[in-house]
Formats: sequence, C-alpha cells, structure tokens
Amino acid sequence: DGGITQSPKYLFRKEGQNVTLSCEQNLNHDAMYWYRQDPGQGLRLIYYSQIVNDFQKGDIAEGYSVSREKKESFPLTVTSAQKNPTAFYLCATVREHGRSGYTFGSGTRLTVV
Amino acid sequence: GQQLNQSPQSMFIQEGEDVSMNCTSSSIFNTWLWYKQEPGEGPVLLIALYKAGELTSNGRLTAQFGITRKDSFLNISASIPSDVGIYFCAGQLGTGNQFYFGTGTSLTVIP
Repeated sequence: DGGITQSPKYLFRKEGQNVTLSCEQNLNHDAMYWYRQDPGQGLRLIYYSQIVNDFQKGDIAEGYSVSREKKESFPLTVTSAQKNPTAFYLCATVREHGRSGYTFGSGTRLTVV
Repeated sequence: GQQLNQSPQSMFIQEGEDVSMNCTSSSIFNTWLWYKQEPGEGPVLLIALYKAGELTSNGRLTAQFGITRKDSFLNISASIPSDVGIYFCAGQLGTGNQFYFGTGTSLTVIP
C-alpha cells in the first residue's frame, strides 16, 4: 500500500540536543511538507520541498533544518536553536500541481525532557 | 502565510444533532478541502471542492464551496460518537501546491 511513514511515533529530547524526524513516502509525490501542531492550534508550516535538492522555508523555519536528497525522503532536524520544540510534527505530500490535497503521515510527538 | 478563520473553535453536541462549521478567508481560493484529525493521528481528507457553489457529500457530511470563493462550509448530519475529532479546512491559491489551513474546530459528541 502506498503511504507516508513517519518515525518514530514518540521522541524524547534533552535540552540542547538535535534530533531528526523521519518522513518516507512511496506515493511518488513530488512535493513534501513539514508542519508543526501545538495543542489546540492549527498547522503551521515549517519547511517544504517541491523537487529533490530544493526546499523552501515556511512560516516558522527558525531552529529547524531539512534535506531532500531523494524523492522519497524529507527528514526534519529539530536543532538546539529551537527554543520550544515540544509539539506534534506532521509530514505531508502532494502530487505536482495537485488539487486533491495533502496526504499526511501519522505524526511524531516530540517532547523535550 | 494566509489566514483562514475557522469557526466555531469548539463544539459540544448531543449524539444525533446536526453540526455546522465554516471557514473564511480574505483571499480567493480555487480549491477548498475539509480534513478530520483524530487524537494522535494525521489529518485525513474528507471532502474536496473545486468550483464556486459546488456542493459535495460524503455520507453524512456535506461541504460547500462559497460563491465568493472566500469561504467554505461543512455540515455533519445526525452526529455519532465516532465523529469526535478536530476538523480542519484548507484552501489553495492559484495552481500552486501549497494549502493553507484553518485553526480547526474541535468536535465533542456526547452519547
């Protein structure tokens, strides 16, 4: 079955550490997105990539970094510069020029301890 | 980014009641989508709308693309406990891939 796999489902990070969240897709979709969701709030765009080896900052990119070395993968690194990283992180994909909307992964919940 | 105003923010209803929520924007969108998110999961697409005035149903759910193209509406008829979750609207400008999301409506159904 085609889909998006986010891992791990739960992640705990000590203050000052970098952590990387994985997002892998086998939908052959061109564009991939990372969103952050805080309790009781909507989705805020962190980074997105429309083609391999290219990505753009979203609304809240500070303290995050990404790479897009292959079409199937779009990992997100939460760096120590991100002051409040505890949140639910969602990866999404969409076909090029797709109007049918995003397909989302099941999310990673990151907690700073 | 674009701001989509979604209301109400939360709803507490009795099982069997109908539900209405809406989403408005200051921009004109060419696509409107409605998603449902259950706790600890990613949003799942419910309905997609592609032209002004379009009315589309998915079971007990009905959504409409507003005539002005700046708003959209979602109705749920005869609610049941499994309707619980957060409902998000999303809109797309032009032909770009990016969608912009509303702030969500949290629905609680009381048996």
